[in-house]
Amino acid sequence: QQQVKQSPQSLIVQKGGISIINCAYENTAFDYFPWYQQFPGKGPALLIAIRPDVSEKKEGRFTISFNKSAKQFSLHIMDSQPGDSATYFCAASPHRYSGAGSYQLTFGKGTKLSVIP
Amino acid sequence: SQTIHQWPATLVQPVGSPLSLECTVEGTSNPNLYWYRQAAGRGLQLLFYSVGIGQISSEVPQNLSASRPQDRQFILSSKKLLLSDSGFYLCAWGTSEPQHFGDGTRLSIL
Repeated sequence: QQQVKQSPQSLIVQKGGISIINCAYENTAFDYFPWYQQFPGKGPALLIAIRPDVSEKKEGRFTISFNKSAKQFSLHIMDSQPGDSATYFCAASPHRYSGAGSYQLTFGKGTKLSVIP
Repeated sequence: SQTIHQWPATLVQPVGSPLSLECTVEGTSNPNLYWYRQAAGRGLQLLFYSVGIGQISSEVPQNLSASRPQDRQFILSSKKLLLSDSGFYLCAWGTSEPQHFGDGTRLSIL
């Protein structure tokens, strides 16, 4: 019940195209859904995050779509650029503080995005 | 602003040797601290987390241990490394959400 399933494992997109990465979860206690971007040799960096009270959040070319009833959320990268080539991780955590161990993130296994010129 | 430092960036150790990886956070007080291991194609695995000095919770029983001797210092240790301990180790901090990661230590065991 703690899993977050992420797909696809890898993705190749033409420059200017739309990159779409999907995640699904089972634990209904999850209340916070961040996406992280990781370049080789670096730690993951927070890209964008959403809570279930909204169905969509947009920051620049990055959009999270959230479907609470389906327990799914996705990352859309519009006008994909070669500089977006990285590994993307979705994650989820329960929001309510419940003592030690709270705010623990459960991560998907990652999607390696390659944007070709 | 808050920053997180991990060192060393890379480390090559023989099997059976000890390990000490250090993580420090600046610009915040009483953060939650986390150690993750990242294996290729397997995402991030939470190893330990700490909500305060001396408070360590382990998520995965294994050859590693963690300590938090100071509010903003988190140490990952091993007495005897195994080949299976190879990987990319990441430290993270957060006071609520989200978590912020350091740039990791690439550990290779020979």
